[in-house]
Amino acid sequence: GQQLNQSPQSMFIQEGEDVSMNCTSSSIFNTWLWYKQDPGEGPVLLIALYKAGELTSNGRLTAQFGITRKDSFLNISASIPSDVGIYFCAGRGEYSTLTFGKGTMLLVSP
Amino acid sequence: GAGVSQSPRYKVAKRGQDVALRCDPISGHVSLFWYQQALGQGPEFLTYFQNEAQLDKSGLPSDRFFAERPEGSVSTLKIQRTQQEDSAVYLCASSLVWTNEKLFFGSGTQLSVL
Repeated sequence: GQQLNQSPQSMFIQEGEDVSMNCTSSSIFNTWLWYKQDPGEGPVLLIALYKAGELTSNGRLTAQFGITRKDSFLNISASIPSDVGIYFCAGRGEYSTLTFGKGTMLLVSP
Repeated sequence: GAGVSQSPRYKVAKRGQDVALRCDPISGHVSLFWYQQALGQGPEFLTYFQNEAQLDKSGLPSDRFFAERPEGSVSTLKIQRTQQEDSAVYLCASSLVWTNEKLFFGSGTQLSVL
């Protein structure tokens, strides 16, 4: 099946720092999505990307759909304590369901 | 309801017991998905419904897993003769249409099999 490699596995940063995480796939995707999951909750959609090369922002979050269609990046600027959580990338091929990465755990120190 | 509702929130089962997990999707959402999330992992696809039709069950790990959505709204995931490896969080998600990637997830049911 489709494999997603997400890195880093975890990050511990100071409040105010910028954060970058990425995801690579063994196959081409038509859609890349980024979700955030808080403890005890389901994932919440942050950003959706639909075209190769697309760069999309949502507040302090910016994500890019790689031109090879096999990777995506998420950047968080000026992190704050409420950014703490697990960030998942997810990709979908033309006729497939969403495949999720293993997540990046983000910890922010005030 | 306002969001996807799952019950129970927590379920403890003895190995060999049958369990049933319920999902109430957002009203009017056509598509319903079940995912399994093991500790420290991302959600893994189990099965998908469009209305009452189960269109993809390729992710169900064994024939002990069974899902239904008889009236196209509420769905039940049933696990028969539970095993310890079934311990995980089971997430339900719904979306307005199949092509809409905006999946809205419930909070999940945490299943522990002892």
